[in-house]
Amino acid sequence: EPEVTQTPSHQVTQMGQEVILRCVPISNHLYFYWYRQILGQKVEFLVSFYNNEISEKSEIFDDQFSVERPDGSNFTLKIRSTKLEDSAMYFCASSAPYRDGYTFGSGTRLTVV
Amino acid sequence: KQEVTQIPAALSVPEGENLVLNCSFTDSAIYNLQWFRQDPGKGLTSLLLIQSSQREQTSGRLNASLDKSSGRSTLYIAASQPGDSATYLCAVIAHQAGTALIFGKGTTLSVSS
Repeated sequence: EPEVTQTPSHQVTQMGQEVILRCVPISNHLYFYWYRQILGQKVEFLVSFYNNEISEKSEIFDDQFSVERPDGSNFTLKIRSTKLEDSAMYFCASSAPYRDGYTFGSGTRLTVV
Repeated sequence: KQEVTQIPAALSVPEGENLVLNCSFTDSAIYNLQWFRQDPGKGLTSLLLIQSSQREQTSGRLNASLDKSSGRSTLYIAASQPGDSATYLCAVIAHQAGTALIFGKGTTLSVSS
């Protein structure tokens, strides 16, 4: 069964540093997403990406966040200057949303110290 | 604004019991509803996807129903097993929210042997 692959599985970074989280979505999906889950809280939508541009973003997705699809397979989330409150599990997902639903990756646990 | 609520927040049952997890959403204008399983510290595994025009979906011991007009879905697990212990998340794609999934906080299930 097709999978969404995320790397790394864990990342520890110092406050103020930049991090890049990487994802390989399912190849025939057209929509790509980043979600996050702070420990003990709901899974929250960050951003969706379609046709090589951001199609929707939440209030959480401010100027310190950016997404990119640098080639035909990878999808990245960059956090420019990390804060302690950015510590969370970050999930990448891809979908044919109205037809097949979502497939999520296994997540990257980001710890900002 | 669409809100998703899951009751109960936690549930403990002995092995073999049949059980029902509940999900409610405030706005019936949804495209579909998806149930996920999340093991501690892990990613989200899709269990069942119900389109807004459908009433239920089944996969093995799992059966999910959808009553869009009343804003409710249930996940029925038959003959529960210790391996079913996990957090179960309900999420909807709402008409107002593009393709973003809106999640409930989940029900944490513990099945004892």
